[in-house]
Amino acid sequence: GENVEQHPSTLSVQEGDSAVIKCTYSDSASNYFPWYKQELGKRPQLIIDIRSNVGEKKDQRIAVTLNKTAKHFSLHITETQPEDSAVYFCAASKRAGNMLTFGGGTRLMVKP
Amino acid sequence: DVKVTQSSRYLVKRTGEKVFLECVQDMDHENMFWYRQDPGLGLRLIYFSYDVKMKEKGDIPEGYSVSREKKERFSLILESASTNQTSMYLCASSTPLGGGYTFGSGTRLTVV
Repeated sequence: GENVEQHPSTLSVQEGDSAVIKCTYSDSASNYFPWYKQELGKRPQLIIDIRSNVGEKKDQRIAVTLNKTAKHFSLHITETQPEDSAVYFCAASKRAGNMLTFGGGTRLMVKP
Repeated sequence: DVKVTQSSRYLVKRTGEKVFLECVQDMDHENMFWYRQDPGLGLRLIYFSYDVKMKEKGDIPEGYSVSREKKERFSLILESASTNQTSMYLCASSTPLGGGYTFGSGTRLTVV
């Protein structure tokens, strides 16, 4: 089955800096790659996703890039703010809506 | 707004008890999932269902079973609870039309 690895497990940045979280996946049939943000004590929420026919997608300060050949994808957060502090999970699936395999998570801390 | 409701926020059960975790979604989603979340391990898939009365094993089904008698309800059953099943349990739903999951708020289960 699919295996998703996520790095780093913790990331500390200064407010205003950029943060990058990287994931690799093993199944070349995976075509859908969402990212979830989980604030302390809350449920994971979808923040951005990308499909395999797209190399990059951007939404304000958040962007995701995908390299299908290398089987890795990354989350980029620019101009980080304290409210970006959370645990972020990447995931992969053969198809949007189907079962997701998640990475281990990255705890992002943004220091004011 | 899709709502996924898990019946209990916190549960404490004794070893050997049969435990039922309930999940209900109100947006007519076909797909429903049960994950457990443990620190450093991310979210691991226990069981999922793409239709009423249909169920498929995920990555860690041992010690669990599920029931989906109605489209909106997906129940997770711990046949004989053990201390290694102490965890946060997250239910999610999605539609095959695409998009990511909507998660419930989670049930933190402690088995003593």
